[in-house]
Amino acid sequence: ETGVTQSPTHLIKTRGQQVTLRCSSQSGHNTVSWYQQALGQGPQFIFQYYREEENGRGNFPPRFSGLQFPNYSSELNVNALELDDSALYLCASSLGVNENQPQHFGDGTRLSIL
Amino acid sequence: DQQVKQNSPSLSVQEGRISILNCDYTNSMFDYFLWYKKYPAEGPTFLISISSIKDKNEDGRFTVFLNKSAKHLSLHIVPSQPGDSAVYFCAASGGNTGTASKLTFGTGTRLQVTL
Repeated sequence: ETGVTQSPTHLIKTRGQQVTLRCSSQSGHNTVSWYQQALGQGPQFIFQYYREEENGRGNFPPRFSGLQFPNYSSELNVNALELDDSALYLCASSLGVNENQPQHFGDGTRLSIL
Repeated sequence: DQQVKQNSPSLSVQEGRISILNCDYTNSMFDYFLWYKKYPAEGPTFLISISSIKDKNEDGRFTVFLNKSAKHLSLHIVPSQPGDSAVYFCAASGGNTGTASKLTFGTGTRLQVTL
């Protein structure tokens, strides 16, 4: 069983640039959620995709956007990068949107904004 | 507004003893709770979960207890092993967020198991 994989592992960008992060869900999982983890904090929910549609969004501005593809892989796009966007970005997959299904995480993408 | 709180940033326990990690929550709509373990440079790994219809769930050395009236849950690890040294996150889901499966995390407790 293939787990959740994310790419790239590390990325350095400058303010104002745009970035795309990628996630392949665990085999058999059709739901992908994205989280941002700042240093010393717990992960914060950005949004969730289920069957290629956004299925809920956390308190993040519209410059954070996403996609889910027919194979359930997903992208997180961030435009007009700000210094505060420096964080670990985690992708998690699960089976359906039933709340009693644990989410399984990838190892994340470390994004640094200079 | 921190809806899930882990008030102990760190905990040190001797090998073989019990580790008890605590978590409090404020949102009474939460009805599913999870514990994750995180090693450096890795993503969180799912450990154990509990639904609000239960007050205890056990899986090997790990037991989670839920006290709904106190809005408190705890993770017990018995016996603790050096490989258990990691950051432990408590998470909760449910509530009128529009996404029932959105996870709200605490800030984590760093557990160190000493020899």
